[in-house]
Amino acid sequence: AQTVTQSQPEMSVQEAETVTLSCTYDTSENNYYLFWYKQPPSRQMILVIRQEAYKQQNATENRFSVNFQKAAKSFSLKISDSQLGDTAMYFCAFMSDFGNEKLTFGTGTRLTIIP
Amino acid sequence: DVKVTQSSRYLVKRTGEKVFLECVQDMDHENMFWYRQDPGLGLRLIYFSYDVKMKEKGDIPEGYSVSREKKERFSLILESASTNQTSMYLCASTLTSGRGGDTQYFGPGTRLTVL
Repeated sequence: AQTVTQSQPEMSVQEAETVTLSCTYDTSENNYYLFWYKQPPSRQMILVIRQEAYKQQNATENRFSVNFQKAAKSFSLKISDSQLGDTAMYFCAFMSDFGNEKLTFGTGTRLTIIP
Repeated sequence: DVKVTQSSRYLVKRTGEKVFLECVQDMDHENMFWYRQDPGLGLRLIYFSYDVKMKEKGDIPEGYSVSREKKERFSLILESASTNQTSMYLCASTLTSGRGGDTQYFGPGTRLTVL
């Protein structure tokens, strides 16, 4: 079974700074997908960024980018020029290439952006 | 935009009651999921369904059952609620595009308290 580990339960950073959230995972599969989801306070969980394991290029979405290290099984999220609206719980998640699109989540990192 | 709705944002029930949590999606998605979210544990999969009347157990199915009579609706049932089922329950859905790695879309969550 796959596992996903987020070792930083809480982080805080000043507005406009850059922050990196860590995620490691364990799998014996070669093809899979990795996700970062964001859950703002009292609001719906939404997708931040998605990475396909067979693509070496790191995914980017505006101020959000990932550092995907397949050999190390590491998938960190970098948020540049952080904004107050980035305050949220962030979950890293793994999806196998086999098995009905099920997600395995990490325990989450609570990120607070300080004005 | 994909919309996933859940019948209640907050629910308070008594031990032993039968509880129904409803989830509806409006995008003709094949796959639907029920997770529970607990602090320090992240999201854990309870059940999922990949077609009408089809269901599979997730990682923590004990004490729960599900029903999917129509494609757009997926119900989670607590046959006899217990205090250890006090949690946030999240529903999600995804289209099976055949490419793999499809994004899951989440509902707003139901915070269930069992007294």
